[in-house]
Amino acid sequence: DTGVSQNPRHKITKRGQNVTFRCDPISEHNRLYWYRQTLGQGPEFLTYFQNEAQLEKSRLLSDRFSAERPKGSFSTLEIQRTEQGDSAMYLCASSLAQGLTEAFFGQGTRLTVV
Amino acid sequence: AQSVTQLDSQVPVFEEAPVELRCNYSSSVSVYLFWYVQYPNQGLQLLLKYLSGSTLVESINGFEAEFNKSQTSFHLRKPSVHISDTAEYFCAVSFPGGKLIFGQGTELSVKP
Repeated sequence: DTGVSQNPRHKITKRGQNVTFRCDPISEHNRLYWYRQTLGQGPEFLTYFQNEAQLEKSRLLSDRFSAERPKGSFSTLEIQRTEQGDSAMYLCASSLAQGLTEAFFGQGTRLTVV
Repeated sequence: AQSVTQLDSQVPVFEEAPVELRCNYSSSVSVYLFWYVQYPNQGLQLLLKYLSGSTLVESINGFEAEFNKSQTSFHLRKPSVHISDTAEYFCAVSFPGGKLIFGQGTELSVKP
């Protein structure tokens, strides 16, 4: 296993379009996190899953954002009707729930909304 | 409320000088604590973690952090920094149930 994989690495889209990002976690990890990071800021929590259950979604997150993890393996993050303010790096991380190991991060998907 | 605060957004320091990056968190329950590092144009990677036991934890590259429950702090220190330590450092807190949140980050800039 080569770690957390995110696709695509870069996405340029026009304002108003929908985009979907994919995250493949480390295979035995049952927790999966999504974050958004803008320049000079820390990762902002968006949502997280344990297996297929979405345990929490940030209250700051617009209804245009939705995430799924249908079989408890890979996850998708969809942004509908994108806005310029959505431009950011979207990070995915995974970890084990038992034993509380650290979260491992993917390289991220950089979204640019034009 | 659950929050993580890094008190310094930028810390410039000369090579071989000591450095401390401050982190405070807000929680009424026990938490786990982490420091992550992000080198330029790279992803986030774990630097060190506190889960339980000794309140002083160390990394392989000379950093250490001390958990202070009464002050709800987890400050990161290094007695002598190197140019290669230049990076963004993030404090993170894991709450019961697994939610993991990050501070705003501290940019450490080591000058020769």
